[in-house]
Parts: sequence; C-alpha cells; structure tokens
Amino acid sequence: DAKTTQPPSMDCAEGRAANLPCNHSTISGNEYVYWYRQIHSQGPQYIIHGLKNSETNEMASLIITEDRKSSTLILPHATLRDTAVYYCIVRVKGGGSEKLVFGKGTKLTVNP
Amino acid sequence: DTAVSQTPKYLVTQMGNDKSIKCEQNLGHDTMYWYKQDSKKFLKIMFSYNNKELIINETVPNRFSPKSPDKAHLNLHINSLELGDSAVYFCASSPGKKGSGELFFGEGSRLTVL
Repeated sequence: DAKTTQPPSMDCAEGRAANLPCNHSTISGNEYVYWYRQIHSQGPQYIIHGLKNSETNEMASLIITEDRKSSTLILPHATLRDTAVYYCIVRVKGGGSEKLVFGKGTKLTVNP
Repeated sequence: DTAVSQTPKYLVTQMGNDKSIKCEQNLGHDTMYWYKQDSKKFLKIMFSYNNKELIINETVPNRFSPKSPDKAHLNLHINSLELGDSAVYFCASSPGKKGSGELFFGEGSRLTVL
C-alpha cells in the first residue's frame, strides 16, 4: 500500500507555479521521497527525489518539511504539457529489495 | 534510440490464450521491472529482476512467468489469459543491484482479453 496522501486533483493556470502537496507522515529516517508523473497513457516519468530540505533540477523543485512528514513539488512555470497525473512515492523496502509503490496521485490540469 | 522498448504496444486476444510481451533496455541498467496498470489506473509492481535474477515477486498468479535471458531483456509470458488480465503492462529499468528510485519506463503494452 502507498504510504503517501495526495489530493486527487488540482488546477493551475498556464505560466503560473504549480504546487503539488504530499503527506507522508509515516516516513522513516532513511526513506526518500520520489516524484513521478504520467502524461495521458504514457509510461511514468521520473521528476525528482529527495531525502530532506530541498532539491531542484531542470524540471522541478522539491521542498520537504523539516519533520519530513510532508513535501511539495513545485513546477515553477506550468505549461499545458505539464497536464498529467503526479505521483508522490516513498520508496519502501520489501523482499530484500527496494521498490516503488505508486498511489492514486494528483491529476494536475494546466489551463490556458 | 528508445531507452526502454516494449513489444507489442497493443495486444488483443481471447480468453484462455497464451501471450508474451517483450521488453528491452539499452541503458546498461542492472534491474528491470514489470508493472501493471489496471482500468482504475493503479500502477502495481509485479516483478523485479537484477541481472537475470528474480528479486521481487509480488502476489501475482502463477500464470504470469517473467523470463530474463540477459540483463537487457525481461519478457513477460502469460498463460491461460483471463478477462481480468486486461491492463497496460509497463516495463521499466533502473541502475544498481537493488534498483534505484529512478526508473525509466517503457511506453506500455495494452493487453485486451476478450
């Protein structure tokens, strides 16, 4: 089962920042937070991951709260092509290996 | 070149048939996965292989049998197909023995069982 909670849907205006929240209150000290997105029926795409504080790459920024119980993915200037389902994932260990367990995600719609 | 490629992209078949989906990655990754996305859009891991060795096997029916002839290939064979097997199957790969959190997914293979 997924260890994260996300709003089912969000809207954002094109050109504005999209801030996608995620709660992961049961996260362990050594577990990373990962973000993926899935555009329409394409394969999921890795966006960013982090352990604590903040991370930034060419796609997005990830802000993790100090207690690590929640995080926010920020798309600084959303475009129509950013419309997708965004998954917040805490990487879990199972069966001697680590795996990604996808939840329901947030469907982000970027409007013109 | 496509990093993770799956064939076929679409597959329509009758109940009871046996079918295979092939996956190849040219990223040099050690770990490969199969995920299933059902009609409700839930993505669930099925199997994970590291350099031809099975490392994750979720509660998947025995009718599903993955095969990894080498670390660049992970095929999925399904026997006695059932209606509930209709889904999109995604192959993925990642570097590292235990995999990493950064997975590269293929475009998916949509299986429809009639």
